[in-house]
Amino acid sequence: DGGITQSPKYLFRKEGQNVTLSCEQNLNHDAMYWYRQDPGQGLRLIYYSQIVNDFQKGDIAEGYSVSREKKESFPLTVTSAQKNPTAFYLCASSAGGYSNQPQHFGDGTRLSIL
Amino acid sequence: AQKITQTQPGMFVQEKEAVTLDCTYDTSDPSYGLFWYKQPSSGEMIFLIYQGSYDQQNATEGRYSLNFQKARKSANLVISASQLGDSAMYFCAMREGLWRSNTGKLIFGQGTTLQVKP
Repeated sequence: DGGITQSPKYLFRKEGQNVTLSCEQNLNHDAMYWYRQDPGQGLRLIYYSQIVNDFQKGDIAEGYSVSREKKESFPLTVTSAQKNPTAFYLCASSAGGYSNQPQHFGDGTRLSIL
Repeated sequence: AQKITQTQPGMFVQEKEAVTLDCTYDTSDPSYGLFWYKQPSSGEMIFLIYQGSYDQQNATEGRYSLNFQKARKSANLVISASQLGDSAMYFCAMREGLWRSNTGKLIFGQGTTLQVKP
């Protein structure tokens, strides 16, 4: 089945630690996105990538980093510089470009501070 | 300024009745798309329905329909014959620059929590 896989489902971070959230898609989509969702809130864009080896900052990129070495993969690192990382993180992909296709989402990763 | 506004933080509806979830948007781009997503308590985002700014007819998908009023910049989601499984958070989102080379970025509203009563 085609889809987006995020792992782990739950993640705990110690103070001063970097953690990496995995996102893999087999939909052959060019564009991938990372969102942060705080309780009872909408989604805010962290980073996005329209093509391999290229990515852009979204609205709340500070304290996060990404890479896009393969079309299928778009990992997100939450660095120690992100002072309030506790949130629900969602990865998405879409056909991008000249497209009215919706974004497809993974099941999310819940990150908490220890 | 908010680009997507969902003014109803929470809504209740009786099972089998219809419910309308409001969404207003703000854009100066003539080419845009509006999307509705459902987020159950488990957290995944489920795409429900899409409306393009140039579409002549209101979109429908099964029990979901979109009441698109372009002049008012509103795109309300109508759920007919509500079911208990419809209880979830619902998000309205917009993509600007549709049909041009664009980033595909979505702008989300704050969401509306819908509870269906038996």
